[in-house]
Amino acid sequence: ETGVTQSPTHLIKTRGQQVTLRCSSQSGHNTVSWYQQALGQGPQFIFQYYREEENGRGNFPPRFSGLQFPNYSSELNVNALELDDSALYLCASSQSVLAGSETQYFGPGTRLLVL
Amino acid sequence: DAKTTQPTSMDCAEGRAANLPCNHSTISGNEYVYWYRQIHSQGPQYIIHGLKNNETNEMASLIITEDRKSSTLILPHATLRDTAVYYCIVRPTYVRGNKLVFGAGTILRVKS
Repeated sequence: ETGVTQSPTHLIKTRGQQVTLRCSSQSGHNTVSWYQQALGQGPQFIFQYYREEENGRGNFPPRFSGLQFPNYSSELNVNALELDDSALYLCASSQSVLAGSETQYFGPGTRLLVL
Repeated sequence: DAKTTQPTSMDCAEGRAANLPCNHSTISGNEYVYWYRQIHSQGPQYIIHGLKNNETNEMASLIITEDRKSSTLILPHATLRDTAVYYCIVRPTYVRGNKLVFGAGTILRVKS
């Protein structure tokens, strides 16, 4: 059973550029959540995808967007990058059911630096 | 906003038990207590979760008070590799767009 993987591990962009981050969910998981973690802070929820549809969103502007594919992998896209977008971006996968708890398992993250 | 309160930092001697407290006085009946940890610059690692009963797995034990307003994560024999930020999170059972709300966590330093 493979865990959650993310690519790339590190990325450097300049202000105004666009970036795409990728996440492969853990085997058997159908839900992907994305989080942003600024230096020295806890992760902040960006959005969640369930069965290829957005299933909830945190307090992030529309330039943060995502996709989920039929194999449940996911992409996070950020347009018009700003310096404050520099952070560790974390992907977590889980198996959603109609009731009961669902544990989210995190990937190693992508470190984005915006210059 | 995080619904939990944790000490900012704690020290523990290697080989001793590490007891990490968490207050969640406003917890609802359908909310689980989750613990994650994050070793420097890595993704958070799931440790354990519980609803009402105490729980134990290969990593740790979770003790939840009877009124559910606080809990303690116990690492029975701490090692240097357990040095990390530990997050206590309360989370409802399945709701649409379920998310984890992280607070500042507790920095646990295990010392030799």
